Amino acid sequence: NAGVTQTPKFQVLKTGQSMTLQCAQDMNHNSMYWYRQDPGMGLRLIYYSASEGTTDKGEVPNGYNVSRLNKREFSLRLESAAPSQTSVYFCASRSIYEQYFGPGTRLTVT
Amino acid sequence: KQEVTQIPAALSVPEGENLVLNCSFTDSAIYNLQWFRQDPGKGLTSLLLIQSSQREQTSGRLNASLDKSSGRSTLYIAASQPGDSATYLCAVFGSGGYNKLIFGAGTRLAVHP
Repeated sequence: NAGVTQTPKFQVLKTGQSMTLQCAQDMNHNSMYWYRQDPGMGLRLIYYSASEGTTDKGEVPNGYNVSRLNKREFSLRLESAAPSQTSVYFCASRSIYEQYFGPGTRLTVT
Repeated sequence: KQEVTQIPAALSVPEGENLVLNCSFTDSAIYNLQWFRQDPGKGLTSLLLIQSSQREQTSGRLNASLDKSSGRSTLYIAASQPGDSATYLCAVFGSGGYNKLIFGAGTRLAVHP
């Protein structure tokens, strides 16, 4: 039982490049989330998906797009990376009561 | 808008002390509250989950309480150990169509031998 998995673990991009962060969960959860974590700011919600086929904006959606490919997978895309998007990105899924997190992707944009 | 505040932001104590970490939230309409631990460079590990109808939860040396009416939760760590050194995050899951977890900024704990 892998829980929530994320790829890649680390990534360095140049300004203007694009990339997709992948997330998958094997717990049959309906809800999935993408957060970013910056020093001193806690975790901030980028986008979430309450169920397959639906997505909604969180607190900081600008510069990102998401796709809920199926019940298991929820990807986050940066179309044109900017230095302000340097951060650690966490994917999560949620049961009825509790939230489970992936190990994170550390992204640096130069 | 729900806001979560954690006090103190950082704490350094000698081994063996009993600790209290505080979390407050502005909107008492919550489904539950979750405490997480995060080690440097790692992901989040769930420690305790308190439903809105509960007053406290215990796991080993950890005890978390919830006072929904006053918008407060405390995490009590008994007999602290160097292995407890980490950042502790509090998060609330709101009701009223609020399908997301809102986090505090965390308390960074260092327990020295």
